[in-house]
Amino acid sequence: AQSVTQLGSHVSVSEGALVLLRCNYSSSVPPYLFWYVQYPNQGLQLLLKYTSAATLVKGINGFEAEFKKSETSFHLTKPSAHMSDAAEYFCAVTTSGTYKYIFGTGTRLKVLA
Amino acid sequence: EAQVTQNPRYLITVTGKKLTVTCSQNMNHEYMSWYRQDPGLGLRQIYYSMNVEVTDKGDVPEGYKVSRKEKRNFPLILESPSPNQTSLYFCASSFGSTGTMAPLHFGNGTRLTVT
Repeated sequence: AQSVTQLGSHVSVSEGALVLLRCNYSSSVPPYLFWYVQYPNQGLQLLLKYTSAATLVKGINGFEAEFKKSETSFHLTKPSAHMSDAAEYFCAVTTSGTYKYIFGTGTRLKVLA
Repeated sequence: EAQVTQNPRYLITVTGKKLTVTCSQNMNHEYMSWYRQDPGLGLRQIYYSMNVEVTDKGDVPEGYKVSRKEKRNFPLILESPSPNQTSLYFCASSFGSTGTMAPLHFGNGTRLTVT
């Protein structure tokens, strides 16, 4: 069975500072990993995905994530936070053939002026 | 425009009164699924469908029904809603019938309140 743990339900950063949102996964088979972003009153949008190709994945809006098998992690980073990055971020895991997605509990990012 | 459309966006109902939340996608996606989002719990999968007439339970299926008679539509049915089904519901779809590498496309959500 798969699982996802997001450390920190709320993260605050200053505008221009590094954004680091943590995601650790558990899976007995090779996982597919995703980061989604949710803006207020909207559905989730894909930021980036890892599907066993390059371990460093670049997404939209300057975000990237690195798959580290040894640490079972898929942390999301952005070098410089912008006010428009304020949102809730979800990490999700699935595996081939299961048709089930497991989402983390989410991290709400606040960007301070 | 490619999209997943849910209706209604907001719904207030009373315990026991049957309701249906509709979901439609115009991307010819095989896979569709329903989630509920609750504070502190993230998104939990209710039901999913791999294709027309093929559905299966997710992690929290109790109290819900679904059907997939057409590829584009995947309604969520609450036959006897209870207050613990008060939540924010999302429908999502993706391309591909043999796995889930493809990302999900989400609707804008339905906020349901059961009193």
